[in-house]
Amino acid sequence: GAVVSQHPSRVICKSGTSVKIECRSLDFQATTMFWYRQFPKQSLMLMATSNEGSKATYEQGVEKDKFLINHASLTLSTLTVTSAHPEDSSFYICSATGLTNTGELFFGEGSRLTVL
Amino acid sequence: AQSVTQLGSHVSVSEGALVLLRCNYSSSVPPYLFWYVQYPNQGLQLLLKYTSAATLVKGINGFEAEFKKSETSFHLTKPSAHMSDAAEYFCAVSFFGNEKLTFGTGTRLTIIP
Repeated sequence: GAVVSQHPSRVICKSGTSVKIECRSLDFQATTMFWYRQFPKQSLMLMATSNEGSKATYEQGVEKDKFLINHASLTLSTLTVTSAHPEDSSFYICSATGLTNTGELFFGEGSRLTVL
Repeated sequence: AQSVTQLGSHVSVSEGALVLLRCNYSSSVPPYLFWYVQYPNQGLQLLLKYTSAATLVKGINGFEAEFKKSETSFHLTKPSAHMSDAAEYFCAVSFFGNEKLTFGTGTRLTIIP
């Protein structure tokens, strides 16, 4: 299957700083990427959908100014958590899909953010 | 609107026993249904998917699931559990033309030696 890679896999930062997480599709062109957040022992909650070259569409309740998403190319999307606080600590997972109509997503390995 | 319900947040089975993880869906249009597995601190791996073809879907690692429209169910089964099957399992739904997935709350599978 297609490969989606996230970096970094783990990051620890101080409260008030910004953190960028990258999501790359390694062997296909990702026309659409999704960012999910997963709290401990809970399901994945969709944060936003990004299409290459356009602004991300955020789910209700997600602060777009806090979670900046950029999808500048067909192989890279970034999530920047701005002015991070301890409550932003979570597991962030991206997924990507290319030119397919089966609804299948390819998931990255996830990035665990810990804000001190 | 679409949703999935996974019955049982925790399931424990003995090694070699049948695995049954339950998933019921709600969708106003014909759904696409998926089962994903997640190992600790990792992303999700697709086990199998139903996209309106055969109702009995075979996936990786010996898992299969049957789409039953009359019961709005898509339960995941494996005849004989292996220790390596211990993980979190998520059922998800989407529909044609929309890759946005809605996930269930997950079921943690524990295998008893």
